[in-house]
Amino acid sequence: SQQGEEDPQALSIQEGENATMNCSYKTSINNLQWYRQNSGRGLVHLILIRSNEREKHSGRLRVTLDTSKKSSSLLITASRAADTASYFCATAQGAQKLVFGQGTRLTINP
Amino acid sequence: DTAVSQTPKYLVTQMGNDKSIKCEQNLGHDTMYWYKQDSKKFLKIMFSYNNKELIINETVPNRFSPKSPDKAHLNLHINSLELGDSAVYFCASSPGGRGSTDTQYFGPGTRLTVL
Repeated sequence: SQQGEEDPQALSIQEGENATMNCSYKTSINNLQWYRQNSGRGLVHLILIRSNEREKHSGRLRVTLDTSKKSSSLLITASRAADTASYFCATAQGAQKLVFGQGTRLTINP
Repeated sequence: DTAVSQTPKYLVTQMGNDKSIKCEQNLGHDTMYWYKQDSKKFLKIMFSYNNKELIINETVPNRFSPKSPDKAHLNLHINSLELGDSAVYFCASSPGGRGSTDTQYFGPGTRLTVL
């Protein structure tokens, strides 16, 4: 069953602006991960946040996790054209299973 | 150096045929996966193997049969292909053993088109 649901489904912003994507899920999780997929390519891992963590940073990325609301957000600051891609959240359930949402398609306009 | 590789990258075939997709990882990981991504970009796990042992087998038609000759390889054989099998198939691997939910490393994908 589908677990993570990203919002919005598509986002278009100007280069230099910040982009925020949200993910909601339904059951308890071990961790939540964000991945990026460029057109025609495989998924690339961006960041993993564990269920006992509330916020994590990696370069221009900031991820928050609210387990009480079963939601996470991914913030990309100072966006660049190269950030144009689809972004997926994936929730980690037992037995090494990641359940992915349908992704947010992010377009950065020059 | 390619970490997770898949062959072929594109596969176009007729309905009813049998085809295989191969996957290899050189990361020394214990666990490998097959995912299917449909036209709406929804990515769904199909199978997971840990050290050649099947761990996850989602509700996939038995026309799909994974085979893991060793922990670095996980191949996917599909019998009697149907139109609905058209999708992009991704192989992935992760370092953890049973019960781990580590970061996964994805291959470039195989775009399967069934005519």
